[in-house]
Amino acid sequence: DSGVTQTPKHLITATGQRVTLRCSPRSGDLSVYWYQQSLDQGLQFLIQYYNGEERAKGNILERFSAQQFPDLHSELNLSSLELGDSALYFCASSSGGQETQYFGPGTRLLVL
Amino acid sequence: AQTVTQSQPEMSVQEAETVTLSCTYDTSESDYYLFWYKQPPSRQMILVIRQEAYKQQNATENRFSVNFQKAAKSFSLKISDSQLGDAAMYFCAYYSMNRDDKIIFGKGTRLHILP
Repeated sequence: DSGVTQTPKHLITATGQRVTLRCSPRSGDLSVYWYQQSLDQGLQFLIQYYNGEERAKGNILERFSAQQFPDLHSELNLSSLELGDSALYFCASSSGGQETQYFGPGTRLLVL
Repeated sequence: AQTVTQSQPEMSVQEAETVTLSCTYDTSESDYYLFWYKQPPSRQMILVIRQEAYKQQNATENRFSVNFQKAAKSFSLKISDSQLGDAAMYFCAYYSMNRDDKIIFGKGTRLHILP
């Protein structure tokens, strides 16, 4: 158990809908990262937050957005969902300035 | 831009044998970190081992060790005494605090353990 929690574990929705994925980092970690892993693919970095502020942006679509709240949990919002958005979405956390990231169990999103 | 290349999409090894997974990377940085993550069928990403680029000594974690060749930009993972539970996808990853604080992953090597 990495100490990073993600909810929900599974999500099934329809095209055009909007969903919110939630992540709670390890206790004391200030940085949260979001990654997308499509079927049989590597991980693509989406976005990073550090202590509530956006710190780095990767290949994140404009339909996707994220935020980190004062209690340091983070939410990834995916809107106008398309079939191609079906993937495993990981959250990871680190203590900020600490290079090792610990991953949550992921949220499996299926868009039908 | 930094890239991480894993040239072996799949590998197989007999149980109790030793296997080496290859990884090369490209960077102009001198200070960075390298990781191997394991992703079993559960899809959980598990940190296996990490290496600081400034350290010449190769990292070791029980049956897992790395061969870090900084000049060659090579970072291979050796698994000794392979066990059935080692069957997984293995990702090599690069991290530099000078570059957006993000990890760059290779495409992975799927490791099969033959009983």
